[in-house]
Amino acid sequence: EAQVTQNPRYLITVTGKKLTVTCSQNMNHEYMSWYRQDPGLGLRQIYYSMNVEVTDKGDVPEGYKVSRKEKRNFPLILESPSPNQTSLYFCASSRRGSSDTQYFGPGTRLTVL
Amino acid sequence: AQSVSQHNHHVILSEAASLELGCNYSYGGTVNLFWYVQYPGQHLQLLLKYFSGDPLVKGIKGFEAEFIKSKFSFNLRKPSVQWSDTAEYFCAARIVSGGYNKLIFGAGTRLAVHP
Repeated sequence: EAQVTQNPRYLITVTGKKLTVTCSQNMNHEYMSWYRQDPGLGLRQIYYSMNVEVTDKGDVPEGYKVSRKEKRNFPLILESPSPNQTSLYFCASSRRGSSDTQYFGPGTRLTVL
Repeated sequence: AQSVSQHNHHVILSEAASLELGCNYSYGGTVNLFWYVQYPGQHLQLLLKYFSGDPLVKGIKGFEAEFIKSKFSFNLRKPSVQWSDTAEYFCAARIVSGGYNKLIFGAGTRLAVHP
């Protein structure tokens, strides 16, 4: 089954404790992206990747890092999480670029205390 | 800066009522436009998209959208809503300019359909 998976689905952590949210797709998509969803703000892009070893900042990259060492994986890293990073995070992938239909993961609800 | 605006944050309708959700984007160049839907507790799914050609686009579940270039708009419509259409709807625009390639979402419209 074609899908985007994220882990963990729920996470409660404390300020400053490094964490990684994994994202994996099994569709051989080149384009992957991370978004955060906040009430009244919709989805805002954090980082995106056009292909392996090619990443770029989205609208709200501060406080986040990503890597794309393999085509299928695109982890989101919070080196020192802060409470303003409490949000719902979605990973998405598409065949080529953002013009293609994006397939979204189930979301990761992160709470930073 | 490029942006996508959705006029209504919350819409409440009765079943069988007609729906129109507004979406405007601010960018003078070429855009690709999308509507995504997020049912309660689920992830986003594509409803429809516009790249070029016929400005009236038909999507899944009886939804359609009309691209009006002069108004920078891409409004979503459905002639008769059902209770199962209760969801949050997001308009998005893909902006491509040189090496810049970004998908920008609106803030979303939460639709509640009452039986």
